[in-house]
Amino acid sequence: DAGITQSPRHKVTETGTPVTLRCHQTENHRYMYWYRQDPGHGLRLIHYSYGVKDTDKGEVSDGYSVSRSKTEDFLLTLESATSSQTSVYFCATRTEYGYTFGSGTRLTVV
Amino acid sequence: AQSVTQLDSQVPVFEEAPVELRCNYSSSVSVYLFWYVQYPNQGLQLLLKYLSGSTLVESINGFEAEFNKSQTSFHLRKPSVHISDTAEYFCAVSDNGEYGNKLVFGAGTILRVKS
Repeated sequence: DAGITQSPRHKVTETGTPVTLRCHQTENHRYMYWYRQDPGHGLRLIHYSYGVKDTDKGEVSDGYSVSRSKTEDFLLTLESATSSQTSVYFCATRTEYGYTFGSGTRLTVV
Repeated sequence: AQSVTQLDSQVPVFEEAPVELRCNYSSSVSVYLFWYVQYPNQGLQLLLKYLSGSTLVESINGFEAEFNKSQTSFHLRKPSVHISDTAEYFCAVSDNGEYGNKLVFGAGTILRVKS
């Protein structure tokens, strides 16, 4: 996970509250991604970014928004958290060798 | 859009036995294929990848995978597994360029190695 930091690592929040997860990279990679991991589904793409202020939706984008104001930071926001968004969230960057993943954020919505 | 099917959700196997984890993907003009491993309560680690060239790729810990274009498969094999290989394994594919814009994952296969 060299070069990618996700914060927080764990979070418990209440239904209906906004939540922002942060992904920070130090390698100046252009492409960044947010995935969620759920049992039986593998990792599913939420949103991705191909440059500052350039983002696009993935497979499971409903209920999520993203922002990328700097190359190094990619933020994922749950505007109004729901129990179905309880999951482990992974950030990734695309490097010249493939894709590198952060350590993940475990989010629980109660 | 690409899709990936991992044919087994769980594979139990005894230590020192051979194992094969199966992966099929939907066809595309050119694809790049990956296997990732996730040990319990950890993140994802790249196990091996196929980008071009030889269709047989190997990892440093004894796993290998073969790209079969005609069967659109990228099965993962190991001739003799260890207890420490117990983990979840994910097959993934990207296209649309050297590494693609997006990485699409299969649902994962849990490998359980028993003594």
